[in-house]
Amino acid sequence: GIQVEQSPPDLILQEGANSTLRCNFSDSVNNLQWFHQNPWGQLINLFYIPSGTKQNGRLSATTVATERYSLLYISSSQTTDSGVYFCAVEGWGDYKLSFGAGTTVTVRA
Amino acid sequence: EAQVTQNPRYLITVTGKKLTVTCSQNMNHEYMSWYRQDPGLGLRQIYYSMNVEVTDKGDVPEGYKVSRKEKRNFPLILESPSPNQTSLYFCASSNTGNYGYTFGSGTRLTVV
Repeated sequence: GIQVEQSPPDLILQEGANSTLRCNFSDSVNNLQWFHQNPWGQLINLFYIPSGTKQNGRLSATTVATERYSLLYISSSQTTDSGVYFCAVEGWGDYKLSFGAGTTVTVRA
Repeated sequence: EAQVTQNPRYLITVTGKKLTVTCSQNMNHEYMSWYRQDPGLGLRQIYYSMNVEVTDKGDVPEGYKVSRKEKRNFPLILESPSPNQTSLYFCASSNTGNYGYTFGSGTRLTVV
């Protein structure tokens, strides 16, 4: 199956700081999503982004499919941004998402 | 509101007592699936369904059953739960294509 690597594994930020999370994947994909898992365990869909760039408020994401990586940008971080961020991909004909191990983000006030 | 609804959110049960976790979506999605999340192992697919009456095994199907009698519902059945099935379970749905997967809020199951 497709291998998904996320970096860094842990990130500690001061409130207001900017950060970049990276996701590398081992094969071509027809789906790539970024999720935020909040402290209650819910998986919140941030972006569906198999290619290109999208922005949603303080968050943005870019996927360069030809080079098999995606980046998630968090700007002006807030304490509510804390949690685990997952990158998940679906290969052609896979019918499932393969998840990375996640990046645990802690934003301190 | 478009959503995937799982019930219950939390469940503590005893070994061997049959249980069902329900999943329902209101988006007319064809595709539905179940995942479990465990520390150190991440999220893994249990079963998936491409449409009504069409189901298939994922990566970790042992000890689970599913059914897809209606498009909106995809229950997960544990006929004889064991402690190694203690986990956080997620149901997801999509419309095979262009908008990605929508996940339910999760069911935290403890088997004692």
